[in-house]
Amino acid sequence: IVMTQSPLSLPVTPGEPASISCRSSQSLLHSNEYNYLAWYLQKPGQSPQLLIYLASNRASGVPDRFSGSGSGTDFTLKISKVEAADVGVYYCMHTVQTPYSFGQGTKLEIK
Amino acid sequence: EVHVVESGGGLVQPGGSLRLSCGATGFTFNTFWMTWVRQAPGKGLEWVASINQDGSEISYMYSVKGRFTISRDNARRSLSLQMRSLRAEDTAVYFCARGSEMSFAIAFDLWGPGTMVTVSS
Repeated sequence: IVMTQSPLSLPVTPGEPASISCRSSQSLLHSNEYNYLAWYLQKPGQSPQLLIYLASNRASGVPDRFSGSGSGTDFTLKISKVEAADVGVYYCMHTVQTPYSFGQGTKLEIK
Repeated sequence: EVHVVESGGGLVQPGGSLRLSCGATGFTFNTFWMTWVRQAPGKGLEWVASINQDGSEISYMYSVKGRFTISRDNARRSLSLQMRSLRAEDTAVYFCARGSEMSFAIAFDLWGPGTMVTVSS
């Protein structure tokens, strides 16, 4: 399954919203009706951290500024009001079947 | 404190072998999926292999199948990645990460700092 993110670069003014798209070459909807899509953020010089799992569930400790949506092959990560701490590379990843795969990454920077 | 820490990285010649380890503390290791993810210098994330709670389900990315072996020792709370026939393209930071407690890996919520593997003559 190929994961395609857009845009690859995302300059955002603090306080403004941001949106990242992730499209998969096959449906990520499992027979149990969950979409096996997660979003990760890798801040500069750090390990990745989980933001969203099963397409729309925020991981523990993730601010509610982050939200995930979508189903099937089309998913979106939204940040309602970008902060300086949100800078880094955002990745989507599927786990619906092996081999799992990540998107290319979207680099969010502050204008 | 809950964390995982990788070890065992280093410089190895093409065709050589290396064994990575990941130690887990602060959580019930034997109830979680575990996985290895790698990141080549300046590149994106790449899933390598995953193993379920009792080691009965194991999966690999295509390019490492037959060369890498993932395993776990629940008594020692340890995850391993035995890497053989290493190639230059295996050069990367290797991350250990924790999956879910369910029957599927779902997502990876705890990551180690990573260990660097360099394959070069």
